[in-house]
Amino acid sequence: GNSVTQMEGPVTLSEEAFLTINCTYTATGYPSLFWYVQYPGEGLQLLLKATKADDKGSNKGFEATYRKETTSFHLEKGSVQVSDSAVYFCALSREGKLIFGQGTELSVKP
Amino acid sequence: DSGVTQTPKHLITATGQRVTLRCSPRSGDLSVYWYQQSLDQGLQFLIQYYNGEERAKGNILERFSAQQFPDLHSELNLSSLELGDSALYFCASSVGRAGGQETQYFGPGTRLLVL
Repeated sequence: GNSVTQMEGPVTLSEEAFLTINCTYTATGYPSLFWYVQYPGEGLQLLLKATKADDKGSNKGFEATYRKETTSFHLEKGSVQVSDSAVYFCALSREGKLIFGQGTELSVKP
Repeated sequence: DSGVTQTPKHLITATGQRVTLRCSPRSGDLSVYWYQQSLDQGLQFLIQYYNGEERAKGNILERFSAQQFPDLHSELNLSSLELGDSALYFCASSVGRAGGQETQYFGPGTRLLVL
């Protein structure tokens, strides 16, 4: 079946550190891939997306590349800020619905 | 602000009761989706409506039902509530029928607590 697996959190980093959150997926065909972010007490916001292999999604300094050969969509940011503290969800789209990973909590300390 | 609105923001009720959650999609969006977020199950897709018609169904219990009205707002009805139904319920919307490339925009959620 279709599924998404993310690295377990919480991830704790110091400000300006490099961030990687791993995401791998299992799916038939070539789904679109998404990263959503949930700030405390808020709903989900789209962070970035990629719709085909080798596409790179980017937004607010975050990047992720759709890797078909490794079925991965890892999220990266070169220098995190305290304001990036949130829960990050990787998701794939299949038959109209989003299938989410379990979420990775990121905490950035000043 | 995604443009998707949900009411109420919080809901506290007792087991066995029935509640209705309301969602208004972004202007121009024809699809509405409902998701449940709980600690043990994570984020789960419940159901999708497109222009008034049910289009896709996920892990939605028989005690739950939804509909989309002519003005495109949607309601999720939860009945015979159990403690395990306590969760955050999100509504999302998208422009079309959600071919795989479409982006879904999420509302702020309704937090349901069943006591």
